[in-house]
Amino acid sequence: EAQVTQNPRYLITVTGKKLTVTCSQNMNHEYMSWYRQDPGLGLRQIYYSMNVEVTDKGDVPEGYKVSRKEKRNFPLILESPSPNQTSLYFCASGRQGAGAFFGQGTRLTVV
Amino acid sequence: GENVEQHPSTLSVQEGDSAVIKCTYSDSASNYFPWYKQELGKGPQLIIDIRSNVGEKKDQRIAVTLNKTAKHFSLHITETQPEDSAVYFCAASPKGSGNTGKLIFGQGTTLQVKP
Repeated sequence: EAQVTQNPRYLITVTGKKLTVTCSQNMNHEYMSWYRQDPGLGLRQIYYSMNVEVTDKGDVPEGYKVSRKEKRNFPLILESPSPNQTSLYFCASGRQGAGAFFGQGTRLTVV
Repeated sequence: GENVEQHPSTLSVQEGDSAVIKCTYSDSASNYFPWYKQELGKGPQLIIDIRSNVGEKKDQRIAVTLNKTAKHFSLHITETQPEDSAVYFCAASPKGSGNTGKLIFGQGTTLQVKP
């Protein structure tokens, strides 16, 4: 089954404790991206990657890191999480010229 | 940079009626405009998209129109059904960054279809 898989789905952590949210796609897509969704603000792009070893900042990259060492994986890293990073996070993948497929989301709470 | 405004924020219609959601964008170089549907507890799902060289696209009960001069695009849902109830997002890909590269989303419209 074609899908974008995020893990974990739910995470509660403390301020300053490094964490990684994994994202994997099985569709051989070139493009992958991370978004955060907050009430009243819609979806905001954090980082995106058009191919292996190529990453670019979205609109809200501060406090986040990503890497694209393999085509199928695009982990999101929070080196020192803060409460304002509490949000619902989505990973997406797609091909050039086609729409993006989204994962099921990761609800992160930073206390 | 690109900015996308979406209206209305909420929309309630009777089953069988039509629903229209409108978005405006600021960057005239944007060339790709997808629409997503998000059901409760799920990720957004692409339902239709349009490119800047096309004025209208239709897929069964869903259609999208694009007015490049006015920089706005709209989603039209005809013969609405209760299962159309969801949050709908429009998006724009600015400055020819590729059809799925940088995407700017609207704020979302919560559509409620009353049986």
